[in-house]
Amino acid sequence: DQQVKQNSPSLSVQEGRISILNCDYTNSMFDYFLWYKKYPAEGPTFLISISSIKDKNEDGRFTVFLNKSAKHLSLHIVPSQPGDSAVYFCAASLSNTGKLIFGQGTTLQVKP
Amino acid sequence: DSGVTQTPKHLITATGQRVTLRCSPRSGDLSVYWYQQSLDQGLQFLIQYYNGEERAKGNILERFSAQQFPDLHSELNLSSLELGDSALYFCASSPTGQGADTQYFGPGTRLTVL
Repeated sequence: DQQVKQNSPSLSVQEGRISILNCDYTNSMFDYFLWYKKYPAEGPTFLISISSIKDKNEDGRFTVFLNKSAKHLSLHIVPSQPGDSAVYFCAASLSNTGKLIFGQGTTLQVKP
Repeated sequence: DSGVTQTPKHLITATGQRVTLRCSPRSGDLSVYWYQQSLDQGLQFLIQYYNGEERAKGNILERFSAQQFPDLHSELNLSSLELGDSALYFCASSPTGQGADTQYFGPGTRLTVL
């Protein structure tokens, strides 16, 4: 049972344009969502998070949007840079446990 | 650098063997998590410890066990290894072990079972 899904295995965008990565979840009890970036041969690096009581959180070029009614979140990267090329994972958790449920990941390629 | 260290970086062993993976959390973090990333799989939660006590368990095999020591470092023991256990094993740490914590990941240990 895949509770967190990233339906797009890959995404390619031009440098300077917007990258939009999507994530869907099935468990309405999740109350905290995170995005991680992962380069080959490295561990995941935390990017940005959002609590279920909010619908938007912004940090520099990265913005996460949460639509609880649709059980959907998205990560916007503006403007995209070649160094953003990596695998992006969304993850969800319940507030009473630190267990993270990860999506399968989306490979982002930003072309110069 | 996340501040989480894992050793060894690479491990090659044979089926039926036992290995121990080690993790040192970030300074001040009390909770440690273990995740497995197999080929073509996302990150799968294995187990969480908080201040020496097991807090949450995922789909961890009975052949696998873990513990967190008084100095807060953690070890993941994998025994009777099978080919399918070949994977990247990540350790993460966080301050309180609650869902709102940000988990910081180590660089991982790549296990290859031949």
